[in-house]
Amino acid sequence: GENVEQHPSTLSVQEGDSAVIKCTYSDSASNYFPWYKQELGKRPQLIIDIRSNVGEKKDQRIAVTLNKTAKHFSLHITETQPEDSAVYFCAARRIGGGSNYKLTFGKGTLLTVNP
Amino acid sequence: DSGVTQTPKHLITATGQRVTLRCSPRSGDLSVYWYQQSLDQGLQFLIQYYNGEERAKGNILERFSAQQFPDLHSELNLSSLELGDSALYFCASSHSGTGASEQFFGPGTRLTVL
Repeated sequence: GENVEQHPSTLSVQEGDSAVIKCTYSDSASNYFPWYKQELGKRPQLIIDIRSNVGEKKDQRIAVTLNKTAKHFSLHITETQPEDSAVYFCAARRIGGGSNYKLTFGKGTLLTVNP
Repeated sequence: DSGVTQTPKHLITATGQRVTLRCSPRSGDLSVYWYQQSLDQGLQFLIQYYNGEERAKGNILERFSAQQFPDLHSELNLSSLELGDSALYFCASSHSGTGASEQFFGPGTRLTVL
């Protein structure tokens, strides 16, 4: 089955700096890669996702890049703010035809943005 | 608020007992997913239902079972509970059954097994 590795497990940055979180996946058939943000005591919320037919996607201060050949994808947050502090999860899944629809999550990265 | 509701919010029970967690998906969503979140294992996918039928299975123990009813709400049954079953259980819903649409998570049920 799919295996998703996420690094680092914790990340501390100064407000205004950039933060990068990296994930690798094992199943070359995976073609959908969402990122979720989970604030303390709250539910995970989708912040951005990318499909395998594009290499990069951007939404304001957040961007995700995908390297299908190397089977890794990364989350980039620029101009970090204290409210970006949370646990971020990457995930991978096959969508469309096929029998395995399960979303496999990485272990999460605790991001702390220091004012 | 994602539109996904889960009850109860908290549940405290003893080892060996059985509990039922309930989830109501967003209006119009046909898929329901169950996840277990613990400190050491992260977010683990348990099972997915789509329009009443099981669609995908993850790391769900045999002591656990789920179903989705005709009104699309879902229940997760946990039996012969062990201390290690203590976790946050999330339900999520999406419109699609193939994973092509975003999953919206409910607020979770925190289960404590004493």
